[in-house]
Amino acid sequence: GQNIDQPTEMTATEGAIVQINCTYQTSGFNGLFWYQQHAGEAPTFLSYNVLDGLEEKGRFSSFLSRSKGYSYLLLKELQMKDSASYLCAVSGYGQNFVFGPGTRLSVLP
Amino acid sequence: DAGITQSPRHKVTETGTPVTLRCHQTENHRYMYWYRQDPGHGLRLIHYSYGVKDTDKGEVSDGYSVSRSKTEDFLLTLESATSSQTSVYFCAISERRGGNQPQHFGDGTRLSIL
Repeated sequence: GQNIDQPTEMTATEGAIVQINCTYQTSGFNGLFWYQQHAGEAPTFLSYNVLDGLEEKGRFSSFLSRSKGYSYLLLKELQMKDSASYLCAVSGYGQNFVFGPGTRLSVLP
Repeated sequence: DAGITQSPRHKVTETGTPVTLRCHQTENHRYMYWYRQDPGHGLRLIHYSYGVKDTDKGEVSDGYSVSRSKTEDFLLTLESATSSQTSVYFCAISERRGGNQPQHFGDGTRLSIL
């Protein structure tokens, strides 16, 4: 079976750094995706990791450790517009995505 | 933005009525998916399609059927809607299944069944 876990809610201050964790247990692994979803809108693709290590993309970075079944999304220089839900999803070889429950991030002034 | 259009965007209907949601894509992607999103459950796969007339069940397929008669259109049908099917429904598309290809999502349909 497959299981993905994320914290339900997080709060951070504008300008700060926040780390959103995702742990997973899957029968097959071929990559981990992060999505951002603003309230009432569609999820939008942020990043993809398949090898261990850090992938940086502007203010957002994503890290993967396959041996630990662990990933995190790092958001730097937080802005009010970063208030959203962040979803991690795991894909397997020729398999569909499995999504985590999502983490709702609130950025306070 | 990926060319994905869902219709209707909002619908309110009564228990026992049939409901059909439509997903239309202009990207010519092979794979299309229907998800539902509920608080505390995240996105759960209902059905997916890997080509015209080729579909398969997902995690929560009971009470739903799908059809894909053209590459660009994927329909989700609730034959007899129940209150437990009140949810937000998202369509997604991808070039390949799994691997490094992200799925891209439509704007969703908010369905309320009274």
